[in-house]
Amino acid sequence: QKEVEQNSGPLSVPEGAIASLNCTYSDRVSQSFFWYRQYSGKSPELIMSIYSNGDKEDGRFTAQLNKASQYVSLLIRDSQPSDSATYLCAVNRGSQGNLIFGKGTKLSVKP
Amino acid sequence: DADVTQTPRNRITKTGKRIMLECSQTKGHDRMYWYRQDPGLGLRLIYYSFDVKDINKGEISDGYSVSRQAQAKFSLSLESAIPNQTALYFCATSDPRGVTGELFFGEGSRLTVL
Repeated sequence: QKEVEQNSGPLSVPEGAIASLNCTYSDRVSQSFFWYRQYSGKSPELIMSIYSNGDKEDGRFTAQLNKASQYVSLLIRDSQPSDSATYLCAVNRGSQGNLIFGKGTKLSVKP
Repeated sequence: DADVTQTPRNRITKTGKRIMLECSQTKGHDRMYWYRQDPGLGLRLIYYSFDVKDINKGEISDGYSVSRQAQAKFSLSLESAIPNQTALYFCATSDPRGVTGELFFGEGSRLTVL
């Protein structure tokens, strides 16, 4: 089983809708979880981090973590065409803090 | 100018050639990383270094070597390139005193091995 799994998509949503991106992980001792956004031809950039169960909101973005289910999600409210990108889920691995990345979900927001 | 600079940005080479990808950073971070990104496989860690005297293998280090010449410089070498090393390579840095898990990536080096 891949350590961090994401649906590769593409996920297509209309402008103004909520986009829901999902990620599961296999290592139960994982402590830190991250969402990176990568525009086509560009490098990844961190947009959200979450460390404890529940929701964490930052503007139009909400990260949700359920450690019992080993599940982390990213909700994007009022999706905009500028949100069209690949979203990478990453999980902290071990005490050294190296990240394990999922393959990414490609999101397309249609005007 | 970019805080994390990679050279070259694009390189086409032939099987068996030695290739070096260079990374320099002005962020003052101690930790540096090399990742490769392949379509459908995501980002995979090749090597990482937590300071000048510390070099560690990542999940896919076979066929690669690295050199940490200074705090700001971290180079990746392919001693004898092969076609399945064709990929997009990213250098990244992090600050252990900063946000946990925040990596700062360079713009990437696209390598094609014929």
